[in-house]
Amino acid sequence: GQSLEQPSEVTAVEGAIVQINCTYQTSGFYGLSWYQQHDGGAPTFLSYNGLDGLEETGRFSSFLSRSDSYGYLLLQELQMKDSASYFCAVRDTGGFKTIFGAGTRLFVKA
Amino acid sequence: DTEVTQTPKHLVMGMTNKKSLKCEQHMGHRAMYWYKQKAKKPPELMFVYSYEKLSINESVPSRFSPECPNSSLLNLHLHALQPEDSALYLCASSQVRLAPSYEQYFGPGTRLTVT
Repeated sequence: GQSLEQPSEVTAVEGAIVQINCTYQTSGFYGLSWYQQHDGGAPTFLSYNGLDGLEETGRFSSFLSRSDSYGYLLLQELQMKDSASYFCAVRDTGGFKTIFGAGTRLFVKA
Repeated sequence: DTEVTQTPKHLVMGMTNKKSLKCEQHMGHRAMYWYKQKAKKPPELMFVYSYEKLSINESVPSRFSPECPNSSLLNLHLHALQPEDSALYLCASSQVRLAPSYEQYFGPGTRLTVT
């Protein structure tokens, strides 16, 4: 089976850097994705790591260590609009099934 | 066009009603998904269609009936629902091959309330 663990809540101040961790247990592995969801909105794809290392997209970066079954999402120069839920997700072995972590609610304070 | 549209945005139905949720995308994606999301929970996969054929049914009760009439459209037919089925229903689409990220594009969802 598949399971992902991430913190339930993180609070940070505007302009700061925050890291949201995700550990996973999977029977197969097709990479780790991150999605953002604002309250009342749809999940939006942020990033994907298929191989070990860091992927950078603007203020957001994502890291993966397959040997540690661990990844993180790094958000820099936090803005109030970054307040949202962030989900890590993995694909099931060979298929379309995506398993989402329980989500991390990020609160950005002024 | 990277948009997935869903109608209606809100739906209130009684337990004896029959209704349908609709989803449409024009990105040429051949995989389409239905998810159910409860408040403060992650999306939970219900069904996946690949090339208009049902690929995954996550043991969803038969009161939910999916349909994929063509490569752009996905429907979810609802009948005799229970109050606990009240949730946000999300449609998503993605490429099938040559997409290492398997990025899914989500629609805005239908907020369903069963009374």
